[in-house]
Amino acid sequence: DTGVSQNPRHKITKRGQNVTFRCDPISEHNRLYWYRQTLGQGPEFLTYFQNEAQLEKSRLLSDRFSAERPKGSFSTLEIQRTEQGDSAMYLCASSRTDGSYNEQFFGPGTRLTVL
Amino acid sequence: QKEVEQDPGPLSVPEGAIVSLNCTYSNSAFQYFMWYRQYSRKGPELLMYTYSSGNKEDGRFTAQVDKSSKYISLFIRDSQPSDSATYLCATPRSGTYKYIFGTGTRLKVLA
Repeated sequence: DTGVSQNPRHKITKRGQNVTFRCDPISEHNRLYWYRQTLGQGPEFLTYFQNEAQLEKSRLLSDRFSAERPKGSFSTLEIQRTEQGDSAMYLCASSRTDGSYNEQFFGPGTRLTVL
Repeated sequence: QKEVEQDPGPLSVPEGAIVSLNCTYSNSAFQYFMWYRQYSRKGPELLMYTYSSGNKEDGRFTAQVDKSSKYISLFIRDSQPSDSATYLCATPRSGTYKYIFGTGTRLKVLA
C-alpha cells in the first residue's frame, strides 16, 4: 500500500498522560500536514512541514503539542498532559510540491480518546 | 461567519437519485476547491478538485464552481448505497498550503 499510513489507529489514554502518533507519508511527497477532526466537524489544520522544516503552526497547536519530522520522511505528533478536550481524530496528509496546487492525500487517522 | 459553510445534513435520497451537495465560501481570493468523501471512522478521500468557474466531470461526479456567487457544488448521478458517506468541501487558504474545510454533509443513499 503506497498511501499515507498512521499509527496507532486508536489510542485510549487517561487524562494527564502523554501520547505520540506517527505518520508515514507517500514516499515522494515532501509536504506533510497534521489536522484534527472532532465529531460532526471538518478537519482543522494544525501544522505542516516541508521536508524537515515546520513552516506553519495553527493557534490550535498549544504548547502541549509538538510535531517533528526529523529526516523529512515520517512525522510524529506528541501531546503532553492530555486533556479530555484533546479527544479527536488526528489526521495526517501529504502532498508534492510541484505546481501551485497541492493535492493533499489523507491517511486513515488516529482516533484519540482521553478518559 | 465561517470561511467555508456547508449544510451538515443528513441528506437521505433513494438509490438512483441525483444528489446535489453545496458549499459557500466568503473569501473571493480562494481559487482551488476540493471535494473529499469520508466514510465513517476513515480518513478523507479526495474525489475531485476544480480551479476557476465552470464544471468538471469525472464519471458519476460533477463539480461546479460559481465564483461570482462564491458557491461550489458536487453532483452525484445515479447515486448508490456505497455513496453513503460524509462529503467535505475544502479550499486552501490563499498564500498557504493549509486547507479550510466545511463541516461536511452526511449523505445516505437508501437501497
